[in-house]
Amino acid sequence: EVQLVESGGGLVQPGRSLKLSCAASGFTFSNYYMAWVRQAPKKGLEWVATISTSGSRTYYPDSVKGRFTISRDNAKSSLYLQMNSLKSEDTATYYCARHGDYGGSPFAYWGQGTLVTVSS
Amino acid sequence: EIVLTQSPTTMAASPGEKVTLTCRASSSVSYMHWYQQRSGTSPKLWIYETSKLASGVPNRFSGSGSGTSYSLTINSMETEDAATYYCQQGSSYPLTFGSGTKLEIK
Repeated sequence: EVQLVESGGGLVQPGRSLKLSCAASGFTFSNYYMAWVRQAPKKGLEWVATISTSGSRTYYPDSVKGRFTISRDNAKSSLYLQMNSLKSEDTATYYCARHGDYGGSPFAYWGQGTLVTVSS
Repeated sequence: EIVLTQSPTTMAASPGEKVTLTCRASSSVSYMHWYQQRSGTSPKLWIYETSKLASGVPNRFSGSGSGTSYSLTINSMETEDAATYYCQQGSSYPLTFGSGTKLEIK
């Protein structure tokens, strides 16, 4: 059974940093692109970042480019999101999601999400 | 950036009614994915590559479309189908979602 378990969310002040983690199990982690998707309270879904199987390619929307960094450790079956210079508009539930074997493939599995609140 | 516009924003359907949700892209895309999100839960992949049902999805659901116009159809609405449905394009970065259609039961 595929499982994605996020951790690391919490309350953080504007301008500070936070690092999210996602522990994956139930599949061969190194075979799949991985992603982060967020959802602000009562709002829709927003893609945040995607990383290739080896980690050599990463993709971001303009809203987080230069502030967020996605990374992975295939040996530990873990995905990370380093978030710097956080803004109030980054407040959201952050989901770890598994793509297929290419970057445009659907988000086939999702974690339960971890809430990040950016507030002073 | 490809903008996805979903319609309607909200709708209510009676049990047994046929329902069609639409998703229009600002530029042509190769395929569309759809997700279902019930209140308080994580999204689930529902339909991928325009017309393929994800595992466990009832066959009263179907997907179709091409180019800039895509749709998700429920042949006969059931209570458990009440949820928000999002379309998503994977043809080009940035990956984008539609704003969702909230489907309620009458």
